Order: sequence, then C-alpha cells, then structure tokens
Amino acid sequence: DAGVIQSPRHEVTEMGQEVTLRCKPISGHDYLFWYRQTMMRGLELLIYFNNNVPIDDSGMPEDRFSAKMPNASFSTLKIQPSEPRDSAVYFCASSRGGVGQPQHFGDGTRLSIL
Amino acid sequence: QKEVEQDPGPLSVPEGAIVSLNCTYSNSAFQYFMWYRQYSRKGPELLMYTYSSGNKEDGRFTAQVDKSSKYISLFIRDSQPSDSATYLCAGEEGGYNKLIFGAGTRLAVHP
Repeated sequence: DAGVIQSPRHEVTEMGQEVTLRCKPISGHDYLFWYRQTMMRGLELLIYFNNNVPIDDSGMPEDRFSAKMPNASFSTLKIQPSEPRDSAVYFCASSRGGVGQPQHFGDGTRLSIL
Repeated sequence: QKEVEQDPGPLSVPEGAIVSLNCTYSNSAFQYFMWYRQYSRKGPELLMYTYSSGNKEDGRFTAQVDKSSKYISLFIRDSQPSDSATYLCAGEEGGYNKLIFGAGTRLAVHP
C-alpha cells in the first residue's frame, strides 16, 4: 500500500516567487492535513480537509497561504508571494474518518526561501 | 502556554538503557494520545496510541496516560541505536481528528 506522497522533496526559490506543494493521500482516507515544522515552533497544523472540504484553516498563517483539494487523491498548498520566514518543512498527512484514527505522514517538502 | 508541553532534549543514553519520555497537556477534552517517531529527514510515523487513562504495551514500548495529572509517558526498554530519533507526543479531542503535537524530544542511543 503506497503511503502519502509529497512533491517536490526540496524546493529552493527566491523571495516573492509563488510556491506550490503537492500531496497525494493514501487511497480511501477521508481526511487530509497540512503541517509546517520548524525548530522554533515544532509541528503546526495549517489546515485540514474532510472529503475534500476544508474544515479548519485557523492555522494558516496569513492570506499568502492557500490550500485546495480538487479531488480525493490530490491536494496543493500554495504560498504567494513567498517570504524567507516561510522556510520550513511542510508535511502532508492523511487518515481515515472516525475517532482515534492515526494520521499517516509523507516525508515532507523542505522549502527554502532566499 | 502551549496545549502540549514536551522537553526538547536532547536525551543521550547508552544502548540497553530504559528511556522515559514525557509530556504534559492542558486540554481536558483530549481523549486520545499518540506517540510518533520521526527519523531525520523523514515524516513522523505512528508508534503507539492510547485512549483515555491507562497503559498500553507493544514490544519494548509502553505508553502511559494519567488524565488526573494530564501526564503522558513513553517508556522504551532495552533501547537500541536504531531508536535514535525525535519522539513527538500528541493529543486529540475525540471526534475532531485534529492532533496537537508537543515540540518533540530528540533521543540519541549510543552503542
């Protein structure tokens, strides 16, 4: 069974550029989560979807960040315009519905904004 | 105050030692508690999860939850160099599928 697949694995770009991160969840999982991990703030939930609908985006830092899930097998997290403080590792995770269901993480996208 | 507090370490122990990793939390609504292990440059992977108070054992790993004191523990017996990783605790309010993570404790087990 394939795990959560994220692309690209690494991204280096200049400040002001648009960045798009991609995620393919595990087939059959109803929930999809986007996290950001930094040394200072740890692992923070940005937004999550249930059945392709955004449920809670209270963790999205500001309007420069947007996320979409056009279908059950694909999601994007976009930053426009990017800033150096957005440099972090971004993780996507998915899970089945129901209480206590574990989240399965991808290996992340390491983003560096110069 | 963060909802889940965890000492970031690092914690360094010799091979074969018993390791104790701990978290405290403030949200009384948490019902599920999870431990994730994260190797360098990889995503977190679920190690154990427990519901409410009590102990759960899986091989060399034991997870313990004390809801009265809002304290979560993970014990690793006979630690191995392959256990060297960052360990993250997390709490979840039942039914919301939303995890709140601690900062993670970096563990190094040296031969």
